[in-house]
Amino acid sequence: DQQVKQNSPSLSVQEGRISILNCDYTNSMFDYFLWYKKYPAEGPTFLISISSIKDKNEDGRFTVFLNKSAKHLSLHIVPSQPGDSAVYFCASWSQGGSEKLVFGKGTKLTVNP
Amino acid sequence: NAGVTQTPKFRVLKTGQSMTLLCAQDMNHEYMYWYRQDPGMGLRLIHYSVGEGTTAKGEVPDGYNVSRLKKQNFLLGLESAAPSQTSVYFCASSYSGTGYGYTFGSGTRLTVV
Repeated sequence: DQQVKQNSPSLSVQEGRISILNCDYTNSMFDYFLWYKKYPAEGPTFLISISSIKDKNEDGRFTVFLNKSAKHLSLHIVPSQPGDSAVYFCASWSQGGSEKLVFGKGTKLTVNP
Repeated sequence: NAGVTQTPKFRVLKTGQSMTLLCAQDMNHEYMYWYRQDPGMGLRLIHYSVGEGTTAKGEVPDGYNVSRLKKQNFLLGLESAAPSQTSVYFCASSYSGTGYGYTFGSGTRLTVV
């Protein structure tokens, strides 16, 4: 029972263009949604998050959109840079639920110069 | 400010051997987690701890044991290693279980032959 799904294992975009990474979830009790970024041979690092009471959160080139009715969130990177090439994990958490994040399987983003 | 330190970084084991992976954090975090990352499987939780002296099972606990005798350390043990335990192991810690502020270590690459 996969509660957080990232259906695209990989994504390739050109430098300067927009990257859109998608994530779907099944548990309507999730309160917070996070994106982590992982470079090879390193641990994941926190990128951006959004609360379920919002539908958009922006931080520089990164914007996360939340559509609760569709149980869908997306991460937009504009403009994409080669240094953004990494694996991106979507994660969710429920306040009052378990003490742990639920991660998706990840999407490998490649930004081509 | 070391954050989360994992030792060793690499290890090759023979089937049936045992070993312990050490995770140490210097941020006074209450919560600690062990994940494994396999291709196409994302991050899967093995065991976690919500405080010194506590442990709990995650998604894939079989074949592993853990101990949290000191707040700053979380040990992951493999009593009898199997090739299916070949993976990259990540430790993480957080101040609380809110999902925010997960700090990951850089990982341990374990190969069981």
